[in-house]
Amino acid sequence: DVQLVESGGDLVQPGGSLRLSCAASGFIFSAHWMNWVRQTPVKGLEWVANINEDGSDENYVDSVKGRFTISRDNAKNSLYLEMNSLRAEDTAVYFCARDQFHSSYEWGQGTLVTVSS
Amino acid sequence: QSVLTQPPSVSAAPGQKVAISCSGSSSNIGSNYVSWYQQLPGTAPKLLIYENNNRPSGIPDRFSGSKSGTSATLGITGLQTGDEADYYCGATDSSLSVFVFGSGTKVTVL
Repeated sequence: DVQLVESGGDLVQPGGSLRLSCAASGFIFSAHWMNWVRQTPVKGLEWVANINEDGSDENYVDSVKGRFTISRDNAKNSLYLEMNSLRAEDTAVYFCARDQFHSSYEWGQGTLVTVSS
Repeated sequence: QSVLTQPPSVSAAPGQKVAISCSGSSSNIGSNYVSWYQQLPGTAPKLLIYENNNRPSGIPDRFSGSKSGTSATLGITGLQTGDEADYYCGATDSSLSVFVFGSGTKVTVL
């Protein structure tokens, strides 16, 4: 069975940094694009970033460009999201998801990031 | 404001059917595949429909998807209390170069 397990969410002050991780199992990790998606009660679901199979292509939503970096370690079957210069509006539950058939095919359970002083 | 527009809520009695619309534009639904997601209370979203009208393994055929022009529809027949959830559409937006989600629709089983 496919499993995606996020970790790293925490309470952080505005301007701070955080690194999220997503441990993948049950599929050939290196064969799939991967996504980060976040959710807030106000804005709903928001796609944040994705990365291609070998990590050579990354895409971001405008609101996080220059602040967030998506990366992966195929040897460790792991996906990461490095978040810098965090703002209150980055407060959300962050999900990692496997991309397949032009969709987020499977999702992790999410990890909560709270940006507050 | 979401790029894809969905009704905030729909409701129907058990056994009945509902249709959830998702309205977009030529740069998203009009030129890319649509997917649909179900989010039960307190859980992560789950894929229901991919590439407009395909169901992943394990998704019952009570759920169906269709697309016409710049709109898409998720249909649920034989409504069950376990279908009470939030439903989201999604599609790549070629102009914005991002994946966009709809605003979400809450389904209530009366």
